[in-house]
Amino acid sequence: DAKTTQPPSMDCAEGRAANLPCNHSTISGNEYVYWYRQIHSQGPQYIIHGLKNNETNEMASLIITEDRKSSTLILPHATLRDTAVYYCIVRVANFGNEKLTFGTGTRLTIIP
Amino acid sequence: DVKVTQSSRYLVKRTGEKVFLECVQDMDHENMFWYRQDPGLGLRLIYFSYDVKMKEKGDIPEGYSVSREKKERFSLILESASTNQTSMYLCASSGSDSMGYEQYFGPGTRLTVT
Repeated sequence: DAKTTQPPSMDCAEGRAANLPCNHSTISGNEYVYWYRQIHSQGPQYIIHGLKNNETNEMASLIITEDRKSSTLILPHATLRDTAVYYCIVRVANFGNEKLTFGTGTRLTIIP
Repeated sequence: DVKVTQSSRYLVKRTGEKVFLECVQDMDHENMFWYRQDPGLGLRLIYFSYDVKMKEKGDIPEGYSVSREKKERFSLILESASTNQTSMYLCASSGSDSMGYEQYFGPGTRLTVT
């Protein structure tokens, strides 16, 4: 699985959009980008995933660059409950490769 | 909503004790996983299971075993607990139709071995 690089920490004002970057310059053609988050003292929570098109769901939007070497997770209107560690993961999605490998992630703090 | 529950949030055991960590999911998921999470090391896969009575080793299976007698239940067993097994243990499940996109995690069990 390709390696990802994320900033260790970020702050964002409540109500503003939080943009979390992730570099994955060695991503291969069949690898997906996944985002999870972990709120303190809880298990990780799936947010969104994508291959090459931008994706949106009720939680967030995922923007993947055309060369797929980086992506940005966007939380459109951040709330205090979005304070968490956010993990960007790149992996092939197929049977037999369900393992998730979490790096150190980005600690996002939402400021009131 | 998918619910993954773990038997304990906090557990304290003595060195050499046999420890059972239980995980139950209510979504009829085929795949279940046990991870441990340690500061600076991220999440590491211990064992996983694709189906009842099936198990596969993850990255760090040494000192652990698992049991999956029923589809909804996946147990992690520490045969003889040691202090280096003090950690946060996380169980997860996913459906085979999702290609593993979404893993649903339980709240975790913080195990301390003294």
